[in-house]
Amino acid sequence: AQSVTQPDIHITVSEGASLELRCNYSYGATPYLFWYVQSPGQGLQLLLKYFSGDTLVQGIKGFEAEFKRSQSSFNLRKPSVHWSDAAEYFCAVGLPRGLVFGKGTRLSVIA
Amino acid sequence: DAEITQSPRHKITETGRQVTLACHQTWNHNNMFWYRQDLGHGLRLIHYSYGVQDTNKGEVSDGYSVSRSNTEDLPLTLESAASSQTSVYFCASSDMGSNEQFFGPGTRLTVL
Repeated sequence: AQSVTQPDIHITVSEGASLELRCNYSYGATPYLFWYVQSPGQGLQLLLKYFSGDTLVQGIKGFEAEFKRSQSSFNLRKPSVHWSDAAEYFCAVGLPRGLVFGKGTRLSVIA
Repeated sequence: DAEITQSPRHKITETGRQVTLACHQTWNHNNMFWYRQDLGHGLRLIHYSYGVQDTNKGEVSDGYSVSRSNTEDLPLTLESAASSQTSVYFCASSDMGSNEQFFGPGTRLTVL
């Protein structure tokens, strides 16, 4: 069955530090992959997506993600975190019947 | 601008009552989806629709139903609300042939 694993439930980083959020997926074919961000009490906002082509994709708010087929991974990165990046981050794989989400990683940012 | 709206944004109901959550999109998207979000589970698919008169069960469909009578709306009905259905519910839509979904703001439902 298709699944998405986000190994880190909660990550704390200092403002200005780099960030990497991990995502591993299980899917037989070439996946459609997404990262969404959810601020407290808000809906989901699409950060970036991978459908095909260049394995390094750029998103909004300075985020990027790299698709690595050999590792079944789609990790999210940001070179310098801002306090406003504190939120919940969800990785998802797109299937015809909808998205399968990971359980999310909560990011806290400290001064 | 096109958008997807959900109503109500918050609802409190009692066990056993029927509840309907509304979802309306102006994207003219064929595909519509309902998810629930719970701590420790992320978002899970309840039902989805590929077009008018089409509905399909998702991962956690027990106790829920949907109907699609037009392109814009996919109401979610809880036939007999249970405390286990206390959750935040998100509606989403996507264009035909696309996996990119656009989400509504969510409805927080509490079943007492």
